[in-house]
Amino acid sequence: KQEVTQIPAALSVPEGENLVLNCSFTDSAIYNLQWFRQDPGKGLTSLLLIQSSQREQTSGRLNASLDKSSGRSTLYIAASQPGDSATYLCAVNSNYQLIWGAGTKLIIKP
Amino acid sequence: DAGITQSPRHKVTETGTPVTLRCHQTENHRYMYWYRQDPGHGLRLIHYSYGVKDTDKGEVSDGYSVSRSKTEDFLLTLESATSSQTSVYFCAISESVGARYEQYFGPGTRLTVT
Repeated sequence: KQEVTQIPAALSVPEGENLVLNCSFTDSAIYNLQWFRQDPGKGLTSLLLIQSSQREQTSGRLNASLDKSSGRSTLYIAASQPGDSATYLCAVNSNYQLIWGAGTKLIIKP
Repeated sequence: DAGITQSPRHKVTETGTPVTLRCHQTENHRYMYWYRQDPGHGLRLIHYSYGVKDTDKGEVSDGYSVSRSKTEDFLLTLESATSSQTSVYFCAISESVGARYEQYFGPGTRLTVT
């Protein structure tokens, strides 16, 4: 059974720092992996999708990597800003269903 | 933003009453999903649909039923609400499955069962 873990559960860093969020999964047989952002009391916004054949995807200050063999993905955020404060969730497409991590709550201090 | 709306956005109901949540899409996507989100958990799949009148159970389907009579609407029903069903419910849609499969989410419905 696929399991997805995100560590740490919470992270607080000063504005301007580069940071890495981690996502690990137990079964490497995946179709893709998706990173989402969730603001308090709001829905989910898709940030990046990495297909199983890809190693990384970039969008602006965000870069997501995928290493299927080790069961890991990272989300790199460059030059963090207070507006990046949110909960970040990763979801693995396994057997045509999304299996979710519990998220990392990120706080960027001005 | 994907054209997904959920109604109601907030609801308080009493234990034992039936509740129906509605998801409406304007994207004509084939696949629709209902999730619940609880503190300390990621999203958990309740039911999903792969076409009109085609539905299947997800990880936490007990106590829930769904119906899809039109492409654009996917209804989630709690036959007899319990306090354990207090949660935030999200609807999602996707155009296809496979490597390019990407889900888009509605704004959520906050349900409180007292």
